[in-house]
Amino acid sequence: KAGVTQTPRYLIKTRGQQVTLSCSPISGHRSVSWYQQTPGQGLQFLFEYFSETQRNKGNFPGRFSGRQFSNSRSEMNVSTLELGDSALYLCASSSPASGTSTDTQYFGPGTRLTVL
Amino acid sequence: DQQVKQNSPSLSVQEGRISILNCDYTNSMFDYFLWYKKYPAEGPTFLISISSIKDKNEDGRFTVFLNKSAKHLSLHIVPSQPGDSAVYFCAAGWGNYQLIWGAGTKLIIKP
Repeated sequence: KAGVTQTPRYLIKTRGQQVTLSCSPISGHRSVSWYQQTPGQGLQFLFEYFSETQRNKGNFPGRFSGRQFSNSRSEMNVSTLELGDSALYLCASSSPASGTSTDTQYFGPGTRLTVL
Repeated sequence: DQQVKQNSPSLSVQEGRISILNCDYTNSMFDYFLWYKKYPAEGPTFLISISSIKDKNEDGRFTVFLNKSAKHLSLHIVPSQPGDSAVYFCAAGWGNYQLIWGAGTKLIIKP
């Protein structure tokens, strides 16, 4: 079974630009969560989608948005990039059972975004 | 407000000895706790979990202990091996709410 894939793996943008990151979950998984990882801050939760609906949202500004398609693939978009948005963005999918916090999350390798 | 704290950014342990990674939490609603391991250039992978109805869960060399009264959990790795060198994250959750993650502890196993 293929794991979670994220594209692109690396991205360099300049301030003010926007970016779209893509995540393909494990086949059959309906829940997709996005995280931002920065040194010393651990994983900061961005949002979670379940069956095309945003179910949970973290404390990030509106510049961060996402969506999920009917095939469970998900995208996240960051508009008006700032230097502080430089981070590793991780996507995780979980089993289709209930989508609760007890479901094991399977992570992709992440997209390393650098904002210059 | 950090609900899940890993106060040690890094830990160095001799190969073959015990590694103990600690995690503290503040939200008494948490009823499920997990540990993930992360190697560079890879996403975190699930290691072991424990629910609040237990105080210990063991899986091979890995044991997680939960002290609910102290709101503290720890991960023990015995014996530590070079391949255990990684960043370890603890996470906590309850219900349909998203997991809350700690900042991670970088474990270095010295030969």
